[in-house]
Amino acid sequence: GENVEQHPSTLSVQEGDSAVIKCTYSDSASNYFPWYKQELGKGPQLIIDIRSNVGEKKDQRIAVTLNKTAKHFSLHITETQPEDSAVYFCAASTKTSYDKVIFGPGTSLSVIP
Amino acid sequence: EAQVTQNPRYLITVTGKKLTVTCSQNMNHEYMSWYRQDPGLGLRQIYYSMNVEVTDKGDVPEGYKVSRKEKRNFPLILESPSPNQTSLYFCASSFGTSGGSYNEQFFGPGTRLTVL
Repeated sequence: GENVEQHPSTLSVQEGDSAVIKCTYSDSASNYFPWYKQELGKGPQLIIDIRSNVGEKKDQRIAVTLNKTAKHFSLHITETQPEDSAVYFCAASTKTSYDKVIFGPGTSLSVIP
Repeated sequence: EAQVTQNPRYLITVTGKKLTVTCSQNMNHEYMSWYRQDPGLGLRQIYYSMNVEVTDKGDVPEGYKVSRKEKRNFPLILESPSPNQTSLYFCASSFGTSGGSYNEQFFGPGTRLTVL
């Protein structure tokens, strides 16, 4: 079955710097890769996603890149702000088994003012 | 307000005492799912439901039951809880894969369960 790894597990950056979180997946059939942000005491919330027919997607300060050959995808946050501090989860699923969404273990991001 | 609600938010119980965690969504979503979140393991899927009366096992279904009698509700049942089921539980819902597309999962606020 699918396995998603995520690095680093914790990340501290100075406000205004960039943050990069990397994930790898094992199932070459995976073709949908969402990223979720979980703030303290809340449930995860989708922040951006990418499909396998796209190499990069950007939404304001966040961007996601996908390398299907290497089976890895990354989240990039530029000009980080204190409100970006949260736990971030990457995930992978396939069209034929969307019901099985496999999450990575999470990255705890701290943005230091 | 569109949302997924869970009750209770916090629960402390003892081994073997049956409990139910309720989940309800008001977005007319077809797909609902339960996850447990444990440190270092991320979110692991327990059970999911593609529609009313249609449920299936996720990756960690042992010790849990679910039912989907109505579209909006998807309760999680622990018939005989054990300490290894101490965890943070999330319910989620989405429109599913209608039309062959993917849809965002909306998560509830979580239920923190402690089994003594």
